[in-house]
Amino acid sequence: DVKVTQSSRYLVKRTGEKVFLECVQDMDHENMFWYRQDPGLGLRLIYFSYDVKMKEKGDIPEGYSVSREKKERFSLILESASTNQTSMYLCASSSYPIHTEAFFGQGTRLTVV
Amino acid sequence: EDQVTQSPEALRLQEGESSSLNCSYTVSGLRGLFWYRQDPGKGPEFLFTLYSAGEEKEKERLKATLTKKESFLHITAPKPEDSATYLCAVQAVGQAGTALIFGKGTTLSVSS
Repeated sequence: DVKVTQSSRYLVKRTGEKVFLECVQDMDHENMFWYRQDPGLGLRLIYFSYDVKMKEKGDIPEGYSVSREKKERFSLILESASTNQTSMYLCASSSYPIHTEAFFGQGTRLTVV
Repeated sequence: EDQVTQSPEALRLQEGESSSLNCSYTVSGLRGLFWYRQDPGKGPEFLFTLYSAGEEKEKERLKATLTKKESFLHITAPKPEDSATYLCAVQAVGQAGTALIFGKGTTLSVSS
């Protein structure tokens, strides 16, 4: 079975902190994604990566950055956490070619206080 | 602009009462349409992929169909364990990378 593992299920951080969310997949997938999910807004794409050290902005990249130093690991960084970044964060991965389904991690519920 | 709309937002059914969820999409070109199930506090779980109009896929009590403008997720004789949020997503030609565009979901509640 494909496994996408996010480092934390729940996180509470203070405003202004630098926050790291880690995601690891064990299926040698080329593509990895970070989404956030909010009530009434659905899933929105923050960043994605189609190869090591490659990254592309999604729909809502402001206030976030990413790092992909190894194929299996994709990190989301909140440079200076703010209360409006309180959300559920979901990591996903998929293989090439592009028509394949994405597999999701269990999610990280981040609360910024 | 590529867009995915799901209806209804919420659906309450009695056990055994069959129904359908709708996903309508507006995209420049469809590469694939995906259905996911999401339980509270968890990540989405993949159900089906549909690629072309007329295609159908089945899994237990669920059947997904696709036309040129919409997809339906038919639930036959649902059970309480089918209660979840069902998400529809599309992968569009020209969409950045391989990312999916999601609808906001339909929350299904099945009571016994």
